[in-house]
Amino acid sequence: DIVLTQSPATLSLSPGERATLSCRASQSVNSYLAWYQQRPGQAPRLLIYGAFNRATGIPVRFSGSVSGTDFTLTISSLEPEDFAVYYCQQRSTWPWTFGQGTKVEIK
Amino acid sequence: QITLKESGPTLVKPTQTLTLTCTFSGFSLTTSGVAVGWVRQPPGKALEWLALHYWDDDKRYSPSLESRLTITKDTSKNQVVLTMTNMDPVDTATYYCAHGRRTISYYFDYWGQGTLVTVSS
Repeated sequence: DIVLTQSPATLSLSPGERATLSCRASQSVNSYLAWYQQRPGQAPRLLIYGAFNRATGIPVRFSGSVSGTDFTLTISSLEPEDFAVYYCQQRSTWPWTFGQGTKVEIK
Repeated sequence: QITLKESGPTLVKPTQTLTLTCTFSGFSLTTSGVAVGWVRQPPGKALEWLALHYWDDDKRYSPSLESRLTITKDTSKNQVVLTMTNMDPVDTATYYCAHGRRTISYYFDYWGQGTLVTVSS
C-alpha cells in the first residue's frame, strides 16, 4: 500500500498567518492526490483534487502544489473557520489511502 | 442537490455482521461516471477507505478488509449497502458514505453525516 506521511502532526498558528501542510507519498502517485478538511464533529470536505485543483466553492486562499512525491497544501491567510484537521488522500493505486492528518490549531 | 445519509445499528456485538445503508438523492448510481464509497474513522483517529461501488457495477475493496466486506447497490431505492462480517471492537468507528464522480477522478465531493458504530458485548 502507498503510505502518505503528513507533517507536522500539529500546526499552531494565529488567524491571518500562512499555513503550510505537507504530505509525502511512499511512491509516485503522479498528481492523484486530494486534500480534505475536517472540522470537529463534521464529515470531511473536499478542498483540493488532482494535487492543485480547487473543488467547487473552495476559497482561493486554499492552494495545492506538488514536487515529485511531496505535496503541499497552503492556506494563505488563516480564517477562524480554517482551524481543523486536514487529510491527504491518494487514488493512484489500489487501495486508496489517507494520510494521518495535520491538525491546525489556534496559537 | 446531492445528499447522502447513513443508517444502521449503533451497537453491534463482537462476531456479528454489520449492515449499513447509504440512502442518497440528487444523483443516480446508474449514471455513467458516478460512484459511492465508504470510509470509516475510529474515534480520534484518521480516515480509512473501505470500499467503492461504481455505476457500472465494478467494485473495489480495501485488501486488508476485503474478506469481510460486501458492497451492493439498489438503484430502485437509491441506496448502497455495506456489510461487514465478524465485527470486532477495533471496528468501532464513524462510518461515512460519500459520492464520487469521474470528472474529479472519483474523489469524494459529497459526504454523509456519518454514523457511529460501537462494537461491544
